[in-house]
Amino acid sequence: AQKVTQAQTEISVVEKEDVTLDCVYETRDTTYYLFWYKQPPSGELVFLIRRNSFDEQNEISGRYSWNFQKSTSSFNFTITASQVVDSAVYFCALTAGTALIFGKGTTLSVSS
Amino acid sequence: NAGVTQTPKFRVLKTGQSMTLLCAQDMNHEYMYWYRQDPGMGLRLIHYSVGEGTTAKGEVPDGYNVSRLKKQNFLLGLESAAPSQTSVYFCASTIWGGGHTEAFFGQGTRLTVV
Repeated sequence: AQKVTQAQTEISVVEKEDVTLDCVYETRDTTYYLFWYKQPPSGELVFLIRRNSFDEQNEISGRYSWNFQKSTSSFNFTITASQVVDSAVYFCALTAGTALIFGKGTTLSVSS
Repeated sequence: NAGVTQTPKFRVLKTGQSMTLLCAQDMNHEYMYWYRQDPGMGLRLIHYSVGEGTTAKGEVPDGYNVSRLKKQNFLLGLESAAPSQTSVYFCASTIWGGGHTEAFFGQGTRLTVV
């Protein structure tokens, strides 16, 4: 069965620090997709990235970057020079059939 | 565009009462999902639908029923609410399933059962 593990329950950093959120997944599917979503204090879920299992290229979007390694079944998310506005709960998700399964989330608190 | 709209946004129920949560999407998406979010548990799939007239069980379906009579609407029903169903409920939709496209989420419904 598919599984997503986000071992870090809470992380606290000071502004401008870099922070990496870990995501480890389990699946027997050969084709699958991985996602990251952000849930700010307002509660909505904001899509950040989707990556398919055949594309192991790292991706960078502004201060955000993602490192996908099939060899270790990991899809880690790094925020460079964190800002207070990055404070949120971050979820990693994996396709399971027609739906997504989510990790339990990592709460990131960035203080000024 | 409205995207995915959930009604209501907040609700307090007494144990044993029933209610229906409505999810409406205006993107002509085939797939729709209901998740619940509990502290420390992430989002867990309750039920989903792969098209009008279809429904299927997810990870935590007990105590819930769903219907998809119209393509744009996905209803989640609680026949006899229990305190364990206190949660934040999210509806989502996608064009296709299997992760081929991103899932669009509603703003959530905070339900408290007392």
